[in-house]
Amino acid sequence: AQKVTQAQTEISVVEKEDVTLDCVYETRDTTYYLFWYKQPPSGELVFLIRRNSFDEQNEISGRYSWNFQKSTSSFNFTITASQVVDSAVYFCALGGAGSYQLTFGKGTKLSVIP
Amino acid sequence: NAGVTQTPKFRILKIGQSMTLQCTQDMNHNYMYWYRQDPGMGLKLIYYSVGAGITDKGEVPNGYNVSRSTTEDFPLRLELAAPSQTSVYFCASSYSGGVGTDTQYFGPGTRLTVL
Repeated sequence: AQKVTQAQTEISVVEKEDVTLDCVYETRDTTYYLFWYKQPPSGELVFLIRRNSFDEQNEISGRYSWNFQKSTSSFNFTITASQVVDSAVYFCALGGAGSYQLTFGKGTKLSVIP
Repeated sequence: NAGVTQTPKFRILKIGQSMTLQCTQDMNHNYMYWYRQDPGMGLKLIYYSVGAGITDKGEVPNGYNVSRSTTEDFPLRLELAAPSQTSVYFCASSYSGGVGTDTQYFGPGTRLTVL
C-alpha cells in the first residue's frame, strides 16, 4: 500500500520568509513518481512538479525548489522569499509506475501574511 | 484551450436524489479521471477511463457510475445521493496513461452537499 504523509497541517509565514513543506512517502514499488500540486483559494489544482524515483537531483524553478531524498523517503518543497500569492493548500502525491492512481497527502495550508 | 471544465460548480442535493456531474476536456486527452476530496483530506480516485468506451474503478467507486462515450466527455453519475457523498469532486485528464508517463491536469471542481 502507498501512503503520503504531510505532517504540517497549516503553516503561516510573513511575506519574504522562506518556507519548507514536508512530504514523507511509503511505497513498495521500486519505480514510482512524486508530485506536488497547488490548490489556491479559487479551488483548482495546479500541477507544480513530477519526479521519478531514479532522479534524486534537486530541482529549482524560480522561487520554488524541491529536495528529493530516497534514503529518508522524503520529497520536500521550499518556497524562497514567499509572496502572498503563494497562499494555498499544497498537496504531495505519489504514483507507482504503470499505475493510473495518485495517492495524495492531506495537504498543507500555507498562509503568507503581508 | 479551456482545458478541463466541470459543471456545475456547486450543488445541493437531498438524500436519495440523483445527479450527473459533467466533465469535458478539449486537449484531446485519452485518459480521464474522477477524484473526490473530503474536507481536510487528499484526493481519492473514484473512476478512470483509458479511452472512449473503457472505464474502470478506482479506490472509492461505490455509489457512483461513469460512462465515456466520447473522448471529450466523462460524466459522473450519483444515483442515490447520501450524506457521505458530500465532497468536492475533481475531474482530471492526461494524454497518456500511467502517472509516470504524463501529468494529470485537473478541472476547477464541483462542490456537492447532500442534506
